[in-house]
Amino acid sequence: QSALTQPPSASGSPGQSVTISCTGTSSDVGGFNYVSWYQQHPGKAPKLMIYEVTKRPSGVPDRFSGSKSDNTASLTVSGLQAEDEADYYCSSYAGSNNFVFGTGTKVTVL
Amino acid sequence: QVQLVQSGAEVRKPGASVKVSCKASGYTFTSYSMHWVRQAPGQRLEWMGWINAGNGNTKYSRKFQGRVTITRDTSASTAYMELSSLRSADTAVYYCARGFDYDDWGQGTLVTVSS
Repeated sequence: QSALTQPPSASGSPGQSVTISCTGTSSDVGGFNYVSWYQQHPGKAPKLMIYEVTKRPSGVPDRFSGSKSDNTASLTVSGLQAEDEADYYCSSYAGSNNFVFGTGTKVTVL
Repeated sequence: QVQLVQSGAEVRKPGASVKVSCKASGYTFTSYSMHWVRQAPGQRLEWMGWINAGNGNTKYSRKFQGRVTITRDTSASTAYMELSSLRSADTAVYYCARGFDYDDWGQGTLVTVSS
């Protein structure tokens, strides 16, 4: 099971938007609406930010949004804030009870 | 509130095994799957496998098949992950995570493999 492909880094100034892509195949991202996104600050456990492609858990700001087109999912962070600086990982169901994570993206707030 | 509390850091020699526990509280343990994810230093998250806490069925990543065993004790609301034939590349933080969306995570357990 190959990892989903994410850009190594992304950046934006406070107040701007940043979009992170997560590219897989028709066997994972493209085949199911079970893509999630996680935020991880250094030395901390990951935190769920988006699940089932577009849904936000309670407590997650609506500045975070998700979408999907074919084999690529995306996470957009609008109105970037200093506390959004972190690593972000996507995850997808990959069929037959298997799951796979993305390669991770480091978001820097300039 | 949901809490997943993992056992403490471990040091093992190459070839040994390690068993990490994850005690759950704040929800009905048997109603959710429990997944195990690891993260080597400076590396990405890596899915290892999961257990259906209700019926005990398991599924493992092909990468770890044959070396990993995930079990649970419903009376203690605790899930376990045992990894055998350890090598230095297994040095990592190991996390448990609740449900297919990984809604909640344990604090992580550092496993160091060193001779």
